[in-house]
Amino acid sequence: QKEVEQDPGPLSVPEGAIVSLNCTYSNSAFQYFMWYRQYSRKGPELLMYTYSSGNKEDGRFTAQVDKSSKYISLFIRDSQPSDSATYLCAPRSGAGGSYIPTFGRGTSLIVHP
Amino acid sequence: NAGVTQTPKFQVLKTGQSMTLQCAQDMNHNSMYWYRQDPGMGLRLIYYSASEGTTDKGEVPNGYNVSRLNKREFSLRLESAAPSQTSVYFCASSESGGKPDTQYFGPGTRLTVL
Repeated sequence: QKEVEQDPGPLSVPEGAIVSLNCTYSNSAFQYFMWYRQYSRKGPELLMYTYSSGNKEDGRFTAQVDKSSKYISLFIRDSQPSDSATYLCAPRSGAGGSYIPTFGRGTSLIVHP
Repeated sequence: NAGVTQTPKFQVLKTGQSMTLQCAQDMNHNSMYWYRQDPGMGLRLIYYSASEGTTDKGEVPNGYNVSRLNKREFSLRLESAAPSQTSVYFCASSESGGKPDTQYFGPGTRLTVL
């Protein structure tokens, strides 16, 4: 079993839909939970991150972490065609652990007009 | 600032040929990384360099060597390319020790080994 599991999709939704992207993980040492976005034929770029459990909102994006169930979510409200990309979850350990994130396989999202 | 740059963008090799992928960053970051990305496999770490003068193996180091030439540059070498090394290669850099220590990625090198 991989340390971080993520459904590769693709997930196809109409414009304006609420999108839910999810990951599960097995390493209890993970403390930072990052989401990277990767457009086709580009390198990944950090979208947002959370520390430990809880929610964090940034515009139309909300990241959520439930450490008790080892479940990571990214919600996109009012999705736009420009949100079409692959989304990679990338948790990493806190102080004293490895600072290198473990990437999920990524979920391909397609938002059609 | 250019961020992270990689050369070449595309490369086709024959089995057994060698080549070096170049990476440079202008953000004064301490740490640099090489990943490969294959369909269905996600990003897998090949090698990384926590600071100038150090390198360490990642998840899939076999068949590769690296050199941290200076703080800015980190190269990846394939001594004898194999078809299994056909992939997209990404270089990344980060400050290291930061919270959450964001990685900045280059545009990638698409390598095909025939």
